[in-house]
Amino acid sequence: DQQVKQNSPSLSVQEGRISILNCDYTNSMFDYFLWYKKYPAEGPTFLISISSIKDKNEDGRFTVFLNKSAKHLSLHIVPSQPGDSAVYFCAASHSTDSWGKFQFGAGTQVVVTP
Amino acid sequence: NAGVTQTPKFRVLKTGQSMTLLCAQDMNHEYMYWYRQDPGMGLRLIHYSVGEGTTAKGEVPDGYNVSRLKKQNFLLGLESAAPSQTSVYFCASARGTSGRGGPYNEQFFGPGTRLTVL
Repeated sequence: DQQVKQNSPSLSVQEGRISILNCDYTNSMFDYFLWYKKYPAEGPTFLISISSIKDKNEDGRFTVFLNKSAKHLSLHIVPSQPGDSAVYFCAASHSTDSWGKFQFGAGTQVVVTP
Repeated sequence: NAGVTQTPKFRVLKTGQSMTLLCAQDMNHEYMYWYRQDPGMGLRLIHYSVGEGTTAKGEVPDGYNVSRLKKQNFLLGLESAAPSQTSVYFCASARGTSGRGGPYNEQFFGPGTRLTVL
């Protein structure tokens, strides 16, 4: 049973516009969330994180929003660039897990078109 | 620094054959993980290790064994490969609680091994 869900397998956006990626989770104990970016034939790389004490975290063009009551988080990319074309994974963990294990979503393929 | 490396990058096996995937990290990380990625399933944890000489089962451990004899290496073994083990395998490492951030350390991933079992 997947505890982290990314219901949109793909997203196409024009260069310069905003990309919004969504992630839902079912386990209310999750209190730390990460987004990873993955290019073909490479491993995922860390993009941005947020803990449950915040509802927003920003890093350059990337902003993650957390809505704890809805068990929902989103990643905003503004403005989108061709190099943002990749698969994005949402991941969640909880502080009672001392071993740093994360549950990953299935990923969203983003294609940024000129 | 090479970061996290995986050997081999590609492999084709026949059903019943065995093989070992090697993961190496040069960041002195305590924690290491093995995942498999399948279409529509995301990354699923197979086994993990929180230090040299320790291993534990993840979400999908059946059919796999692991060993962490040295801190920098984490081996994943398939004793008798099955077509259901066709997947892309990723290794990851994390600093662990000995560093900043406690259990929330980000994981650093290797480039993956694409395994096909015929």
